Amino acid sequence: QQQVKQSPQSLIVQKGGISIINCAYENTAFDYFPWYQQFPGKGPALLIAIRPDVSEKKEGRFTISFNKSAKQFSLHIMDSQPGDSATYFCAARDENDYKLSFGAGTTVTVRA
Amino acid sequence: ETGVTQTPRHLVMGMTNKKSLKCEQHLGHNAMYWYKQSAKKPLELMFVYSLEERVENNSVPSRFSPECPNSSHLFLHLHTLQPEDSALYLCASSQAGSGANVLTFGAGSRLTVL
Repeated sequence: QQQVKQSPQSLIVQKGGISIINCAYENTAFDYFPWYQQFPGKGPALLIAIRPDVSEKKEGRFTISFNKSAKQFSLHIMDSQPGDSATYFCAARDENDYKLSFGAGTTVTVRA
Repeated sequence: ETGVTQTPRHLVMGMTNKKSLKCEQHLGHNAMYWYKQSAKKPLELMFVYSLEERVENNSVPSRFSPECPNSSHLFLHLHTLQPEDSALYLCASSQAGSGANVLTFGAGSRLTVL
C-alpha cells in the first residue's frame, strides 16, 4: 500500500519555467515532509523539508507548499535551470516510528 | 572519505551466486538502512539497524541477509537471487530516533541478476 502518492511521473520544463510536483497522503501520523533530489548515478540527497505547522517554506528557488486539511504538499522549482534536471522524491515521516515513506519519484527535465 | 560509501557500484550475478554489498558511513551516525530502488516505484525500506540492533525487516525474502558488525558498516549478503531482484540498492545512515528524519544516502549498488 503506497502511503505517499506523487505526481506527475515525469515533466519537461523550459529553462526559466516553473516545475511543480504534487504529493498526497492519508496517514495523519505523518509529522515531517522532506523532499529528496537524486541525480543520475547518485543517491538521493535531502533538498528541503517542512513540518505541518507551517504552510510554506522557501529555500532559494525551491518552495514547499503544505495543505494540512487536504493532506497534500507540493514542491515548486522557480526559474528552473538545466542543473535542476533530476528525480525528485517526496517523503513523509511517521511520528510513531520515525519511518519515512517515499513517493514514486518525478523525473524533471529542464530544456535549455 | 566522507559520507556514505557503497561498494561495488555495479554487480552482475547469476541466480546461483553468492555475493555481498558493502556500505560504510563516516558521519558518526548510529542508524543504517538498506533500501531497494526500482524504476517508477517508491523507495522500498528493506532493513534498519539502530545502535547495531536490527529494528526493521520489511518482509524481505530470506535470500537477502543483512549484517551490521558495527555502527559504521553494513552488509547485504545475497544468495540465490531472482531476476526480479535486479535493482539499485541504496544504503543510508542517520541518527537514531527522532534524528531519522535526515537520511544520508550512498550512491547505490546497481545489481543485475541474470
